[in-house]
Amino acid sequence: EVLLQQSGAELVRPGSSVKISCKASGYTFTDYYMHWVKQRPEQGLVWIGRINPANGNTVYAEKFKSKATLTADKSSNTAYMQLSSLTSEDTATYFCTRIGDWGQGVMVTVSS
Amino acid sequence: DIQMTQSPASLSASLEEIVTITCKASQGIDDYLSWYQQKPGKSPQLLIYDATSLADGVPSRFSGSRSGTQYSLKISRPQVDDSGIYYCLQSYSTPYTFGAGTKLELK
Repeated sequence: EVLLQQSGAELVRPGSSVKISCKASGYTFTDYYMHWVKQRPEQGLVWIGRINPANGNTVYAEKFKSKATLTADKSSNTAYMQLSSLTSEDTATYFCTRIGDWGQGVMVTVSS
Repeated sequence: DIQMTQSPASLSASLEEIVTITCKASQGIDDYLSWYQQKPGKSPQLLIYDATSLADGVPSRFSGSRSGTQYSLKISRPQVDDSGIYYCLQSYSTPYTFGAGTKLELK
């Protein structure tokens, strides 16, 4: 069974950074891209980007190129996304996904 | 970027109806199109992939089709549990893009 287990909710200050994780199990981690998706409260889904865990190559949507940094650790089958210079616009739930399988989401709240 | 125009934004349907949701791609996407259902507070769940293939465990009342660059999700005789928000996703080229979503209410 494929499982994508994400880290817990985060409450962070404006201007700071946060790093969230997504631990994969039930499949060969390096065989599939890992994608990240943003969902603001009561809004739709937005694709942030993807990483190839086999070689670390990344592709980002234009609006997230200076906001998100995707990495992957093959030794622990874990993908990470760091979000920087956080503002209230970054308050959202962030999902990792293989497209067919999804993590449970991480709620990131940016507030002083 | 490929735009996915999804309609309707919301609909209310009875249990005896056939529900159809559509997504029109701004260019050809070679059937790299999937459909998801999302319930409040939950992750999206895959229903259909490659435009017409039913995901494992998804009831056969769900089906997908294509006409040109317009893709459709059909729910035949929907059940109360089918309420939720439905999204399409094109994975033909980056950046991947979602439709805006369709909120389905069963009455």
